[in-house]
Amino acid sequence: DTEVTQTPKHLVMGMTNKKSLKCEQHMGHRAMYWYKQKAKKPPELMFVYSYEKLSINESVPSRFSPECPNSSLLNLHLHALQPEDSALYLCASVSTGGFGRNGNTGELFFGEGSRLTVL
Amino acid sequence: AQSVTQLGSHVSVSEGALVLLRCNYSSSVPPYLFWYVQYPNQGLQLLLKYTSAATLVKGINGFEAEFKKSETSFHLTKPSAHMSDAAEYFCAALTMDSSYKLIFGSGTRLLVRP
Repeated sequence: DTEVTQTPKHLVMGMTNKKSLKCEQHMGHRAMYWYKQKAKKPPELMFVYSYEKLSINESVPSRFSPECPNSSLLNLHLHALQPEDSALYLCASVSTGGFGRNGNTGELFFGEGSRLTVL
Repeated sequence: AQSVTQLGSHVSVSEGALVLLRCNYSSSVPPYLFWYVQYPNQGLQLLLKYTSAATLVKGINGFEAEFKKSETSFHLTKPSAHMSDAAEYFCAALTMDSSYKLIFGSGTRLLVRP
């Protein structure tokens, strides 16, 4: 299984709503990521979890709250979002076991993304 | 800090012509390097990756890239463009420290003319 599964694929929410994006992988990867991608722009790193601990927060507003309940799951909780937060949210994972050894080339596996629209 | 630069936000070629998309990285230690492709309204698909095993890397759909340490470059090429190659292409670099941070270039949109 080399898949990263993201749900939902599409989400429309109002500015007062609370919703969550979910990401799951069963490849045994211990680093997981959230990226945000606006139209015609590259993905921007939001958060990195390494061994279920938040290792990087790229100064993301607190209305985005990540959670890593176990090594296979990554959530992104959304609250009081703004219309400018509308974007494609991508989840990714990577094997942390010895880059350059045992065939680990540091390739990130990406999900198909969750397209978020904030009204 | 590591960075990735892609020269040319748009590249236009005729069908059957050579495709050349440029990527330069800045790092004292060569990172792991990747090219991803993104078709409209889709996620990212890995084209190829540099793993230090070979400087010329072959990927999917006839694409290849050559790692040149002296030029800190990892340019993507394809001998003959096909209409289906029209997409957004991203070069990316993974830091080799414990942060596991993947940094993307700004992207190049490839347009293929009939």
